[in-house]
Amino acid sequence: EAGVAQSPRYKIIEKRQSVAFWCNPISGHATLYWYQQILGQGPKLLIQFQNNGVVDDSQLPKDRFSAERLKGVDSTLKIQPAKLEDSAVYLCASSLGDVIYGYTFGSGTRLTVV
Amino acid sequence: SQKIEQNSEALNIQEGKTATLTCNYTNYSPAYLQWYRQDPGRGPVFLLLIRENEKEKRKERLKVTFDTTLKQSLFHITASQPADSATYLCALDSWGKFQFGAGTQVVVTP
Repeated sequence: EAGVAQSPRYKIIEKRQSVAFWCNPISGHATLYWYQQILGQGPKLLIQFQNNGVVDDSQLPKDRFSAERLKGVDSTLKIQPAKLEDSAVYLCASSLGDVIYGYTFGSGTRLTVV
Repeated sequence: SQKIEQNSEALNIQEGKTATLTCNYTNYSPAYLQWYRQDPGRGPVFLLLIRENEKEKRKERLKVTFDTTLKQSLFHITASQPADSATYLCALDSWGKFQFGAGTQVVVTP
């Protein structure tokens, strides 16, 4: 079975610029997550989708971050404008919804804001 | 506030020995606890889940214990191999979502 696809793998932008990340989850996985992982830290949940609806976006900095999951399949995460502290790996994960199977993560997008 | 603590110091261990990692938590009452493995440049990979009413879970050379009184989980890799070298993350269920610890790096030397 194909894994969670993410692109791009790397992105370098200047502060105040905008950037978008794309994620295609495993087919049939209704739940999709975006996590931010700063170097040396564990992944931090930004937003959770169930199909195309938002379940939890309480930790998403909504003044600059936005995410959508049109048609309940792939998803995009956008940052506008970026700040230096947004430098991190952005991980997308999907799940069947039953915790016993865990989350399946993509390889992430490494963002560097200079 | 909720807190998950994993040893930030890398665990260096000789091949064939047992590696033991700890995951301590405060202000949680998790129904589930998961363990993941993360290699450099990759996303975490799910290894095991243990429920609050389970004391121990095994999968091949991996063993996880869950002590809700001590608020601690132990993760054991028996007969460790160089291929086990990675960072291991614990994740705790919080209102249906999993919060991750920072992970502990394991280095297995031949």
